[in-house]
Amino acid sequence: DIQMTQYPSSLSASVGDRVTITCRASQSITTYLNWYQHKPGKAPKLLISAASSLKRGVPSRFSGSGYGTDFTLTISSLQPEDFASYFCQQSSNMPPTFGQGTKVDIK
Amino acid sequence: EVQLVESGGGLVQPGGSLRLSCSASGFTFSLYWMSWVRQAPGKGPEWVANIKKDGTVQSYVDSVKGRFTISRDNAKNSLYLQLDSLRAEDTAVYYCAREYSEFWSGYYNYFDSWGQGTPVTVSS
Repeated sequence: DIQMTQYPSSLSASVGDRVTITCRASQSITTYLNWYQHKPGKAPKLLISAASSLKRGVPSRFSGSGYGTDFTLTISSLQPEDFASYFCQQSSNMPPTFGQGTKVDIK
Repeated sequence: EVQLVESGGGLVQPGGSLRLSCSASGFTFSLYWMSWVRQAPGKGPEWVANIKKDGTVQSYVDSVKGRFTISRDNAKNSLYLQLDSLRAEDTAVYYCAREYSEFWSGYYNYFDSWGQGTPVTVSS
């Protein structure tokens, strides 16, 4: 199975900060990488597919990049509603596998 | 609006069984592959199983093969997961998720809708 390593596992930031989360695959997955946001007690929400394709309705402050094994999710200016957990997921090979998640909380 | 609502979770002893259900609405259920994904406390999500649109093909993560069974009833817009021979390490919140596939230079799959989850605790 492809292992997904995500870091940091948590970070503290302020409203307006630029935040970057990294996800590394144990082998090349080209651009078969998705990003999700998850708030406690809520359904996870798809943010980005195919490494950089922002899904409809997701604010443009979110962006994704990367190819092969190294990927990033960037929030250009953190907003109060962005405090949540984020996780990556590869869809290159079965089974789909996820990163351990990054919790973004208020500094 | 797409809605997925899980139910059936609870506390069960090791070796016991549970049947999880996921009720779908707001879309044509029979047109989509569906998955179960779980998240144990303090860990990242783990894909558990999926099932083809017509229910004829199922896949499982190795750790649950032979113990869990995924099924669906398209007439009832419902997805199920039968959990047998439960172990402490199966303790998690279980989510049902809709799979979507886009073709660009290849088939890009992702989980585009999720439920809020149902908790399963395996403990004596």
